[in-house]
Amino acid sequence: KAGVTQTPRYLIKTRGQQVTLSCSPISGHRSVSWYQQTPGQGLQFLFEYFSETQRNKGNFPGRFSGRQFSNSRSEMNVSTLELGDSALYLCASSLETGGVDTQYFGPGTRLTVL
Amino acid sequence: AQSVTQLDSQVPVFEEAPVELRCNYSSSVSVYLFWYVQYPNQGLQLLLKYLSGSTLVKGINGFEAEFNKSQTSFHLRKPSVHISDTAEYLCAVSRRTNAGKSTFGDGTTLTVKP
Repeated sequence: KAGVTQTPRYLIKTRGQQVTLSCSPISGHRSVSWYQQTPGQGLQFLFEYFSETQRNKGNFPGRFSGRQFSNSRSEMNVSTLELGDSALYLCASSLETGGVDTQYFGPGTRLTVL
Repeated sequence: AQSVTQLDSQVPVFEEAPVELRCNYSSSVSVYLFWYVQYPNQGLQLLLKYLSGSTLVKGINGFEAEFNKSQTSFHLRKPSVHISDTAEYLCAVSRRTNAGKSTFGDGTTLTVKP
């Protein structure tokens, strides 16, 4: 099976712009979670989608949003970019059988805001 | 809410020496526990996980971890490290009822010197 894929791998934007990141989960996985990783704050949970519905949300401003499509692929959008949004954005998928489960991470999208 | 504390931000060791990376957690509910490894500019790779049962968990690359409920710890160990083990190691917890949302520690940078 192919792993979790994220596109693009690298992105450079300027302040005030918006950006959309994409995540394709492992085939059959229904849960997709997004995380932001920065040197200062570490890995922080953004949100989780399951069957096209947002199931959990972290403590991020409303500029950060996401969605999930019927094929479980997910997108994350950040509007009005700030310098502090520069980070590695990681996506993780899981099978979500209702019991024991494991998250599998993609390689991430490195976003640089100038 | 849960939290994770990785007690050492950096651990330098010589090749073939044993290593222990320490992780303590706090949670009011039952959790799953994980260790991940992250190489530069890459996503996270699962090393091992504790879900239930035996408190000694064996993972990939010769790593193992021991779950200690009374001390709320989940320390990672390897009896003999290699240069290739140099990486960032992250400890994480997730609620058993919500495996799609993980809380991570700040990470420990393991540097293996020749």
